[in-house]
Amino acid sequence: DVKVTQSSRYLVKRTGEKVFLECVQDMDHENMFWYRQDPGLGLRLIYFSYDVKMKEKGDIPEGYSVSREKKERFSLILESASTNQTSMYLCASSLLFGKAGEGETQYFGPGTRLLVL
Amino acid sequence: SQQGEEDPQALSIQEGENATMNCSYKTSINNLQWYRQNSGRGLVHLILIRSNEREKHSGRLRVTLDTSKKSSSLLITASRAADTASYFCATIGSQGNLIFGKGTKLSVKP
Repeated sequence: DVKVTQSSRYLVKRTGEKVFLECVQDMDHENMFWYRQDPGLGLRLIYFSYDVKMKEKGDIPEGYSVSREKKERFSLILESASTNQTSMYLCASSLLFGKAGEGETQYFGPGTRLLVL
Repeated sequence: SQQGEEDPQALSIQEGENATMNCSYKTSINNLQWYRQNSGRGLVHLILIRSNEREKHSGRLRVTLDTSKKSSSLLITASRAADTASYFCATIGSQGNLIFGKGTKLSVKP
């Protein structure tokens, strides 16, 4: 069975803290993605990676960084958390970057709900 | 950037009724996908329809695609309370990422 796991379901942090959100997939997928989801705004892409040590900015990368040291793990880092980063964070993985149009499905983790006080 | 736009934004029906949700998109696509998200949970892939397909079925789900109108519809037949969730259509962006609409919130009353 396909599995994408995220390190925490709920997280409460203080403004200015450094926050790590971890995502692990067991499907040997090349591509991994981080999204945030906010009411009325839908899902927005933060960063993605299509190989180990590779990363690409998405639509809203400001205030975030990522790390992909191993194929199965993609970490999202909030260098200095701010209240406007309170959100639901979703990780996803898929096969075949650039051939996604041929129909590869993205598999999502359960999400991490982050509250920054 | 958001490509898909679902309609309606919210839908409330009785158990046993059918639910229809629509999605419009802007650019040409190779495929369109539908996802479900239960309240506060992650996304679950429901069905994918390719640009050369007009209709696809999966269990109680029926998806149609009209590339000339850049629109798709998702029909859930004989709905159940467990179908209560938000439903999103998604297309593939130029970077291989999924571009989602804002979703339709479906409520099925028992």
